[in-house]
Amino acid sequence: GQNIDQPTEMTATEGAIVQINCTYQTSGFNGLFWYQQHAGEAPTFLSYNVLDGLEEKGRFSSFLSRSKGYSYLLLKELQMKDSASYLCAVRLGGSYIPTFGRGTSLIVHP
Amino acid sequence: AAGVIQSPRHLIKEKRETATLKCYPIPRHDTVYWYQQGPGQDPQFLISFYEKMQSDKGSIPDRFSAQQFSDYHSELNMSSLELGDSALYFCASSLTGGRAEAFFGQGTRLTVV
Repeated sequence: GQNIDQPTEMTATEGAIVQINCTYQTSGFNGLFWYQQHAGEAPTFLSYNVLDGLEEKGRFSSFLSRSKGYSYLLLKELQMKDSASYLCAVRLGGSYIPTFGRGTSLIVHP
Repeated sequence: AAGVIQSPRHLIKEKRETATLKCYPIPRHDTVYWYQQGPGQDPQFLISFYEKMQSDKGSIPDRFSAQQFSDYHSELNMSSLELGDSALYFCASSLTGGRAEAFFGQGTRLTVV
């Protein structure tokens, strides 16, 4: 995903809040996904944003600003099991194909 | 709720052999995507189908082909396998021509020896 940028790695403490950012460049936009992926497993759907604003689902929230080409995933009350890779995927350039960023490896420590 | 089903979950093949991976999308989903994910890599889009017709093509090698059948299940056929084809292969499905959320199957881990 050469047009999608995420930090490579982040660390946080159990019980804390962490924000994972994703920026993208595209001339067309048809939606942005966040997935969680544990090593060797399938990406698990977390959220899908098409319009600007904040979507909240329990401990997870996702924000989108289309004008800034920017999204973030907010994880609250972190648990050890939240240690995983978080993938931002964008439907770019008028396509409906989700194109993935490199993913952010989140390490939650006690 | 039913999810995307992929089979087999694990597959070991020798170089130059062929492999067939199967994907059963969520019922009523009309769009299927195939992705390849190498170790430590992000998923790379291979090919997609909408209503049994190929809709988009990504970085799929010529040695690979895919199709979607009348019951909407899809198969990825891989021939002349190379060591570099060892990867996780994911299938995802979506509604309304891909405009809705995309959900992934558990993947097939292909090992070429």
